[in-house]
Amino acid sequence: EIVLTQSPGTLSLSPGERATLSCRASQSVSSTFLAWYQQKPGQAPRLLIYSTSSRATGIPDRFSGSGSGTDFTLTISGLEPEDFAVYYCQQYGGSPLYTFGQGTKLEIK
Amino acid sequence: EVQLVESGGGLVQPGGSLRLSCAASGFTFSDYAMNWVRQAPGKGLEWVSISGSGGSTFYADSVKGRFTISRDNYKNTLYLQMNSLRADDTAVYYCAKWVGATGYLDYWGQGTLVTVSS
Repeated sequence: EIVLTQSPGTLSLSPGERATLSCRASQSVSSTFLAWYQQKPGQAPRLLIYSTSSRATGIPDRFSGSGSGTDFTLTISGLEPEDFAVYYCQQYGGSPLYTFGQGTKLEIK
Repeated sequence: EVQLVESGGGLVQPGGSLRLSCAASGFTFSDYAMNWVRQAPGKGLEWVSISGSGGSTFYADSVKGRFTISRDNYKNTLYLQMNSLRADDTAVYYCAKWVGATGYLDYWGQGTLVTVSS
């Protein structure tokens, strides 16, 4: 089973700052199959990034993804108030078919 | 506009059964695989099951043998039959549309809460 470990668990930053969220896989993951989601309280997850670095429709360009192999990163440059949420990485194609990281909570400092 | 609307959640006793539905609109339902993903209160996301456009199905080990996913392409509806429910099945259950070979989930419903408790 591929395990995704996200760090930090909680990230406290101020609006305007840059956020760097990490997702580490227990074994190599194809960059094609790595995605990031944003979830706000009481809402469903929303797709942000797919195939490691491609932004989903309507996602602002302050969100970017990078990485390969076992180390992947979601960067949010110039945090807006609406960006404070929980972020999950997800891989597809292993066993089980999908696994998610445990999430990083981005909170206002 | 793509819409996914789940229903059927509620309170059920341990060992009981429940059937969830997800009504889809705004896309050609029969062309896409569909998933169920759950989230226990205050916890992260856990994939539950997928129904392929060609009829294939897969399950997480935690629900295999107890849950059955199915779909009605005429009614544009995805189902999850949940039997032998346990307390650790308590969660919000989301249906999510699968995009294709890359596996990401581009649209999610608002979720339906299942509570397993006596």
